[in-house]
Amino acid sequence: EDQVTQSPEALRLQEGESSSLNCSYTVSGLRGLFWYRQDPGKGPEFLFTLYSAGEEKEKERLKATLTKKESFLHITAPKPEDSATYLCAVQAQVQGGSEKLVFGKGTKLTVNP
Amino acid sequence: GAGVSQSPSNKVTEKGKDVELRCDPISGHTALYWYRQSLGQGLEFLIYFQGNSAPDKSGLPSDRFSAERTGGSVSTLTIQRTQQEDSAVYLCASSPRQGLGEQYFGPGTRLTVT
Repeated sequence: EDQVTQSPEALRLQEGESSSLNCSYTVSGLRGLFWYRQDPGKGPEFLFTLYSAGEEKEKERLKATLTKKESFLHITAPKPEDSATYLCAVQAQVQGGSEKLVFGKGTKLTVNP
Repeated sequence: GAGVSQSPSNKVTEKGKDVELRCDPISGHTALYWYRQSLGQGLEFLIYFQGNSAPDKSGLPSDRFSAERTGGSVSTLTIQRTQQEDSAVYLCASSPRQGLGEQYFGPGTRLTVT
């Protein structure tokens, strides 16, 4: 069964204090790993897709990396507006079958000014 | 451009009643997905549509849940004889084409069963 585990569950940072969020996964053939941001009361907002180990993607203060067993979301010099829940999801390679995403429970990030 | 829209945004219903939740995907997106997000839980997959067909219904929790999609566009998720454990946020997502991973989510419908 495909599984995604995110850690920590919650993280508090001071503005400017860089850190990383972890996403560990087990999947029967990885098609893609996805990072989303979710603000309270809203749907998840797409951030990145990573397809193979060694791949990196960047967007503003965020950088996502991928290995064969985990992904990291690095946040450099965060600002209060980066506060949100960050979700990780995997899509498995399934012939003729589902395109579903399997999500972790998320990391709730709070950045204090 | 317009994103995924869902209606209603909030629904309060009594136990035992039927409810219908609607999703309008991004124009031109052929793939459509329904997920459920319960308090303290991750997003849980319910059903996937490619066009009007549903190749994967494996996440529907019981036969009280059904969904359809018409004209390759709008989708309706129906829950019959609602139970308190059905209370959750129901999220719809769409994707431009089969095999492309990025799914774009709507704002969700918060369902409360009293």
